[in-house]
Amino acid sequence: IAGITQAPTSQILAAGRRMTLRCTQDMRHNAMYWYRQDLGLGLRLIHYSNTAGTTGKGEVPDGYSVSRANTDDFPLTLASAVPSQTSVYFCASSDSGNNEQFFGPGTRLTVL
Amino acid sequence: GQNIDQPTEMTATEGAIVQINCTYQTSGFNGLFWYQQHAGEAPTFLSYNVLDGLEEKGRFSSFLSRSKGYSYLLLKELQMKDSASYLCAVVDSNYQLIWGAGTKLIIKP
Repeated sequence: IAGITQAPTSQILAAGRRMTLRCTQDMRHNAMYWYRQDLGLGLRLIHYSNTAGTTGKGEVPDGYSVSRANTDDFPLTLASAVPSQTSVYFCASSDSGNNEQFFGPGTRLTVL
Repeated sequence: GQNIDQPTEMTATEGAIVQINCTYQTSGFNGLFWYQQHAGEAPTFLSYNVLDGLEEKGRFSSFLSRSKGYSYLLLKELQMKDSASYLCAVVDSNYQLIWGAGTKLIIKP
């Protein structure tokens, strides 16, 4: 692994289904983030984690949950997907809050 | 509320110079980032300003005025590969990034 990876690359999901988006980084960064990007709205923060074992809510947390059991992994779970969660999801990591964020390649999610 | 404003779209000619502006109103300020994002790809870091003034990095420069809540990204000697969206983001008092919607830059031959 080099940098930050996400899986799956894309997914089509039926409404009401549960889905976990995976994110792994090998840079030993303390902080990790989940964003969604929708046309015309820019990146919006869903959840973040400043260090392993802690998480926090971002701007648009409803319908999503995260966990940070270790430094490397930061999965995002949609408990019961809805069509409004159709978006491109980016995971990112950084050394600290005001340091450069490195982004994964993104997951394109469609909820029907 | 917190707000980052950038033009939605700009067009420029190959070889020319373009300036992309960003104005912000945020709860606190701990720095400003510019990222580049090509269509279908992830954002990548371009520059970071925390003090007033101009930071130059090759063909790209970024300027910050904290008193005016204003920044710009200057791209010189434009190349076709510079066609992308340019995202302005401010680090607020909680050390969270507040993102603008991005400026789509179209380069014409």
